[in-house]
Amino acid sequence: NAGVTQTPKFRILKIGQSMTLQCTQDMNHNYMYWYRQDPGMGLKLIYYSVGAGITDKGEVPNGYNVSRSTTEDFPLRLELAAPSQTSVYFCASRHTNYGYTFGSGTRLTVV
Amino acid sequence: EDKVVQSPLSLVVHEGDTVTLNCSYEVTNFRSLLWYKQEKKAPTFLFMLTSSGIEKKSGRLSSILDKKELFSILNITATQTGDSAVYLCAVAETSGSRLTFGEGTQLTVNP
Repeated sequence: NAGVTQTPKFRILKIGQSMTLQCTQDMNHNYMYWYRQDPGMGLKLIYYSVGAGITDKGEVPNGYNVSRSTTEDFPLRLELAAPSQTSVYFCASRHTNYGYTFGSGTRLTVV
Repeated sequence: EDKVVQSPLSLVVHEGDTVTLNCSYEVTNFRSLLWYKQEKKAPTFLFMLTSSGIEKKSGRLSSILDKKELFSILNITATQTGDSAVYLCAVAETSGSRLTFGEGTQLTVNP
């Protein structure tokens, strides 16, 4: 039982490049989330999904896109990377009535 | 807009001291309040509180919720250097679709 797996762990992007942060969970959780955490700050919700085929915006969705074609996978797409997107990104999942499980994070630097 | 405020933002103590971390919140449809400990990587779950006045305890850590005053505290007694971390408070709505995080309290325990 791997829990929530995020890849890559680290990435450096040039301004304007695109990339996809991968997130997969093997716990059959309905809910999945993407958060970003800037230095010295709490986590801010980017997008979330309550089930396959359903996604919704969080607090800071601009510059990102998501999809949820399967229960297991919830990739986060950055189309045109900007320095403001330099952050640590956490994926999390949750069963309906239980607590959240976080992935180990992806540290992204945009230069 | 949902809001979670933690205080203090930063705290430095000596081993053996007792600390109290504070979390106040404004949430439209409160479901539960969660405490997390974050060291270098992903937040790890400490407590979930749903009812007022019932203390949750795990070793030297304890937490309590006051739903009337919209407030929670996290106590750590006999602190150790391994307690050094960022402690995050988060509040979940009744829909369960999202967590709103505070900015965290950076605790440093010196030997």
